[in-house]
Amino acid sequence: ETAVFQTPNYHVTQVGNEVSFNCKQTLGHDTMYWYKQDSKKLLKIMFSYNNKQLIVNETVPRRFSPQSSDKAHLNLRIKSVEPEDSAVYLCASNRDWGAEQYFGPGTRLTVL
Amino acid sequence: GDSVTQTEGPVTVSESESLIINCTYSATSIAYPNLFWYVRYPGEGLQLLLKVITAGQKGSSRGFEATYNKETTSFHLQKASVQESDSAVYYCALGDTGYQNFYFGKGTSLTVIP
Repeated sequence: ETAVFQTPNYHVTQVGNEVSFNCKQTLGHDTMYWYKQDSKKLLKIMFSYNNKQLIVNETVPRRFSPQSSDKAHLNLRIKSVEPEDSAVYLCASNRDWGAEQYFGPGTRLTVL
Repeated sequence: GDSVTQTEGPVTVSESESLIINCTYSATSIAYPNLFWYVRYPGEGLQLLLKVITAGQKGSSRGFEATYNKETTSFHLQKASVQESDSAVYYCALGDTGYQNFYFGKGTSLTVIP
């Protein structure tokens, strides 16, 4: 099956903890992305990663960092979560810049 | 700034009725906006429904269509006759070619009653 997979589906944690979310795509794409969908349902790009080039949205707090072992994987690490980090995090991939994006099902994070 | 505003949901229509979901955008930092409609069916991930990159053009897919209107900054989604299987959440989106600036609307939940 070719798609974008994310784990876990849900994660509940407390302020200050570290969390890591996994994303894997089996589509053979070269570019991967992380988006945050907040409580207002707005989807905002956080990172994009292509051929070892990382592009960071300047509004993303430094406690967030992407981690990639190869072009099929782009994980998201949050060093010390804050309440405002509660959101759904969506991973996506595409063949190259401008091509159609394919999204994973998302990981819902709740910070208590 | 850049933003997308779409019809507030939820929207409920009967099967075979027509549908329009409004979408307007503001693109101040994107020189050549691309416009999209994404859909999330129950239990599935977001998927692209249609995309239009040139003003004045119309995109269509699965019976849905949307026209990129630069004058009214709109990209409304329409379907002449909906089916129960169209029940989903629809997102209007705005982006540049490289997806570095990519904005989704809040989504419109559609329920089609048989």
